[in-house]
Amino acid sequence: SQQGEEDPQALSIQEGENATMNCSYKTSINNLQWYRQNSGRGLVHLILIRSNEREKHSGRLRVTLDTSKKSSSLLITASRAADTASYFCAPDNAGNMLTFGGGTRLMVKP
Amino acid sequence: DAGVIQSPRHEVTEMGQEVTLRCKPISGHDYLFWYRQTMMRGLELLIYFNNNVPIDDSGMPEDRFSAKMPNASFSTLKIQPSEPRDSAVYFCASSNRTGGTVTQYFGPGTRLTVL
Repeated sequence: SQQGEEDPQALSIQEGENATMNCSYKTSINNLQWYRQNSGRGLVHLILIRSNEREKHSGRLRVTLDTSKKSSSLLITASRAADTASYFCAPDNAGNMLTFGGGTRLMVKP
Repeated sequence: DAGVIQSPRHEVTEMGQEVTLRCKPISGHDYLFWYRQTMMRGLELLIYFNNNVPIDDSGMPEDRFSAKMPNASFSTLKIQPSEPRDSAVYFCASSNRTGGTVTQYFGPGTRLTVL
């Protein structure tokens, strides 16, 4: 498996603003997943985008994938204090495991 | 389903003691993963099993660490003897590969403190 690299490492915004975080990876993938980790909790799967998809939505989440640039972005619209968490991307190249990077720490101020 | 279950949730022990962490994966999942998370090193994969067989243990830090999966519904991670640098949150996760994708489901973690 390969590890995704999230950017920025940390992001601080006001409630109601949009939050964008990016992920880069190195080799071809079958799909890419985004996970969230609230403080002191395990990671929770948010959304999966397949390699033949360019954009996917789930509620206030919008994920894009550019396989030519080997990058993905996660946009959280109209952020809430409850969105404060770390966000991880996980490229899946059909292996049996996922490898997680350092994540993006998002703080949403009320 | 109750999700991945880990016990204990918190463990405080003294250096040199044996520590055993436990995990019950989601029923029907055939992959089980053990991770360790610290501020310094982030989330590290220690070992993973497929159908109860260890597949990759290259992340196990040293011989003091061992993991077993005697059946499909139970796994243990043992540290003997424990050291202060083992202090971390240990996560168990399970998954299966369906439709060409694998999504991991994490347990709540065990926060280990070694004094």
